[in-house]
Amino acid sequence: DAKTTQPDSMESTEGETVHLPCSHATISGNEYIYWYRQVPLQGPEYVTHGLQQNTTNSMAFLAIASDRKSSTLILPHVSLRDAAVYHCILRVADYTGYQNFYFGKGTSLTVIP
Amino acid sequence: DMKVTQMPRYLIKRMGENVLLECGQDMSHETMYWYRQDPGLGLQLIYISYDVDSNSEGDIPKGYRVSRKKREHFSLILDSAKTNQTSVYFCASRQDTGQLYFGEGSKLTVL
Repeated sequence: DAKTTQPDSMESTEGETVHLPCSHATISGNEYIYWYRQVPLQGPEYVTHGLQQNTTNSMAFLAIASDRKSSTLILPHVSLRDAAVYHCILRVADYTGYQNFYFGKGTSLTVIP
Repeated sequence: DMKVTQMPRYLIKRMGENVLLECGQDMSHETMYWYRQDPGLGLQLIYISYDVDSNSEGDIPKGYRVSRKKREHFSLILDSAKTNQTSVYFCASRQDTGQLYFGEGSKLTVL
């Protein structure tokens, strides 16, 4: 039960801006949206997160729909180093009130020189 | 420097042998996780630890157990490893803000 839906793969050319979509139609009001990325032979790396408002940091811009049922991770001017699997996940609470993180397959981003 | 360290990075065992995967973090995070990742799949949650001696099963705990005697160390133990436990195992610790820090992974092959 991944709770998020992402395309399996996307492709972009160096220097372009990439929009990575994520659908989370059953998101609860207190669930945060997190994005991680993972390159081969390494663990996932935090990219950004948000609750309701759009957020931005040095790595990416996160756009969250007004109904919170979808979000888009925007990577400006991608480079070859941005090639990775991008995971969109929700921070959910289990029955004890503690926090599980459910990772799906993510979107594999290919960057063409 | 916030870091999660996993040992060993690579391990080959025969079916039926015991396996110990170790994870350490230097951030005093209370909550730690063990995941496994198989090719083409997402990360599957094995166990969560909320602090010393406070552990909870994840989605796929069968065949695994964990030990957390110090806050900075979280071990994953396979008693009598099986070939279907061949996988890459990731440890993570959680900051109070919710952000996860992952180790580099331990690739286990069970022959």
